[in-house]
Amino acid sequence: AQRVTQPEKLLSVFKGAPVELKCNYSYSGSPELFWYVQYSRQRLQLLLRHISRESIKGFTADLNKGETSFHLKKPFAQEEDSAMYYCALISGGTSYGKLTFGQGTILTVHP
Amino acid sequence: NAGVTQTPKFQVLKTGQSMTLQCAQDMNHNSMYWYRQDPGMGLRLIYYSASEGTTDKGEVPNGYNVSRLNKREFSLRLESAAPSQTSVYFCASRYPSGNEQFFGPGTRLTVL
Repeated sequence: AQRVTQPEKLLSVFKGAPVELKCNYSYSGSPELFWYVQYSRQRLQLLLRHISRESIKGFTADLNKGETSFHLKKPFAQEEDSAMYYCALISGGTSYGKLTFGQGTILTVHP
Repeated sequence: NAGVTQTPKFQVLKTGQSMTLQCAQDMNHNSMYWYRQDPGMGLRLIYYSASEGTTDKGEVPNGYNVSRLNKREFSLRLESAAPSQTSVYFCASRYPSGNEQFFGPGTRLTVL
């Protein structure tokens, strides 16, 4: 069965510092991975997906199949990055699109 | 477009009471999902509907039932609420050919 693990429940950094949110997964097939973000009092929204290889709001994430990881990185954290971050893996193909989420990491960026 | 909407936003129930959480989307999506969010557990899939007329169990379906009323609406019913069902419930929907899911604002349910 697929599993997504985010080892850090809480992560605190100061503004301008680099930040890395860790995500490891286990999946027997070819994984498709996402990062979702939930800002305070807002709904969960997609931040980025690995197949797009894009940078959103300064965040990037690289899929490392050898280490089965999909860590989220940003070189200079901003206070507005404070939020709950979820790593997620999709299974069931495009017909079902079921997401398996990690436990989530609360990121706090201090001024 | 309102996107994905959920009602109610908050609800308090007593053990044994029943209720239905409503979800609707106006994006013409085929697939819809119900998740529950618990501290330290992330979001877990309760039920999903790949298309109108079909529903399937997810990771934690016990104690819940669902109805895909039409393409727009997907409701979640608790027949006999238990304190273990205290949680925040999210509905989501997905494009027919894409993998991004769009989430509703959530329903915060407390069962006493």
